[in-house]
Amino acid sequence: DIQMTQSPSSVSASVGDRVTITCRASQGIGSWLTWYQQKPGKAPKVLIYAASSLQSGVPSRFSGSGSGTDFTLTISSLQPEDFATYSCQQANSFPWTFGQGTKVDFK
Amino acid sequence: QVQLQQSGPGLVKPSQTLSLTCAISGDSVSSSSAAWNWIRQSPSRGLECLGRTYYRSKWYNDYAVSVKGRITINPDTSKNQFSLQLNSVTPEDTAIYYCARGGWGSGAFDIWGQGTMVIVSS
Repeated sequence: DIQMTQSPSSVSASVGDRVTITCRASQGIGSWLTWYQQKPGKAPKVLIYAASSLQSGVPSRFSGSGSGTDFTLTISSLQPEDFATYSCQQANSFPWTFGQGTKVDFK
Repeated sequence: QVQLQQSGPGLVKPSQTLSLTCAISGDSVSSSSAAWNWIRQSPSRGLECLGRTYYRSKWYNDYAVSVKGRITINPDTSKNQFSLQLNSVTPEDTAIYYCARGGWGSGAFDIWGQGTMVIVSS
């Protein structure tokens, strides 16, 4: 299985901050990388797919970049509703695997 | 819009079989553009894709190594749903179980069920 490693595991930030989360794959996955946001008691929600494509309805302050093994999710200006856990997931090969998650909380 | 509705018990005894169903509305279990997945989430294992079923001229199933031999995922075209059976469960199988649509084009689990908390306990 392809291992997905996120960093950091948690980040403390304030409203208006720029937040960057990275995800590294144990082998090349092209652009088969999705970013999710998850809030307590809810299923994950797609933010970015194909490494850099913004899912319909997702605010433009979210952006993704990268290819191969190294990927980044950036929140340009953190909003109150963005405090949540963010996970990456690869779809290069089955099983589609997830990173361990990054929790964004209040500083 | 596409929706997935899960059903099934939230408490299963050790060594017994966990059974869940996912009813699809707004799409078809036979769709050629998607696979239908079961994913679980626990504090110890995080998000873990257990397996999927999909139709490409015939039915296919893929299962994760971690549960292979214990898992069956079946499509039901008459009811437009799919199911999960996980045999010989242990407390390690305690988790939130989700069904989800996986898009071949996007590589994303773009539609999720509401989740079912399953506890394995006597």
